[in-house]
Amino acid sequence: DPKIIQKPKYLVAVTGSEKILICEQYLGHNAMYWYRQSAKKPLEFMFSYSYQKLMDNQTASSRFQPQSSKKNHLDLQITALKPDDSATYFCASSQNWGDYAEQFFGPGTRLTVL
Amino acid sequence: AQKVTQTQTSISVVEKTTVTMDCVYETRDSSYFLFWYKQTASGEIVFLIRQDSYKKENATVGHYSLNFQKPKSSIGLIITATQIEDSAVYFCAMREENSNNRIFFGDGTQLVVKP
Repeated sequence: DPKIIQKPKYLVAVTGSEKILICEQYLGHNAMYWYRQSAKKPLEFMFSYSYQKLMDNQTASSRFQPQSSKKNHLDLQITALKPDDSATYFCASSQNWGDYAEQFFGPGTRLTVL
Repeated sequence: AQKVTQTQTSISVVEKTTVTMDCVYETRDSSYFLFWYKQTASGEIVFLIRQDSYKKENATVGHYSLNFQKPKSSIGLIITATQIEDSAVYFCAMREENSNNRIFFGDGTQLVVKP
């Protein structure tokens, strides 16, 4: 059974629209993260959460807003979409924030903005 | 500045041989953690192995092992007895002790294992 679920797998959006990327993890982890992988850059850290609290934000734009309704959920809302937002977005998790453990990644959501 | 550098863009080997992938990193932290992940053709990112900076012994997991050369800020990944299924993109990554759990990734090395 998949331990980290991301929905949808593929997403096509028009410029200016808003989308929500879903992430749920069933590893019993307390820390969750979002990373982005685009053709132009390597895997890039975006956000980290611990027990539903934002711990770190490395995105320059407020158009990206993580949302955590439950400890094992960390969704990513993206507003006013731009073609440059086209990328694969990976959710990840680790046992606890600050314990230096490896992070485990979900299957990703590939977003294409037209 | 790039914190993790993988200079090999692509490597091709014959199956059952040994391959080494290079990675150098830069950090000012005295304590840091190094990881290798692989990304399969389907896009899945899989954790392989880690090396903590304070450990002198090279980590080994299955047919993966590391060549940690701290004075050179180098962490090479060695895969022995390669299999066709090892074909993937391999990412070197680093987490500094004081980095708020941020992991910095290299650009990746594409490994092709041929029969």
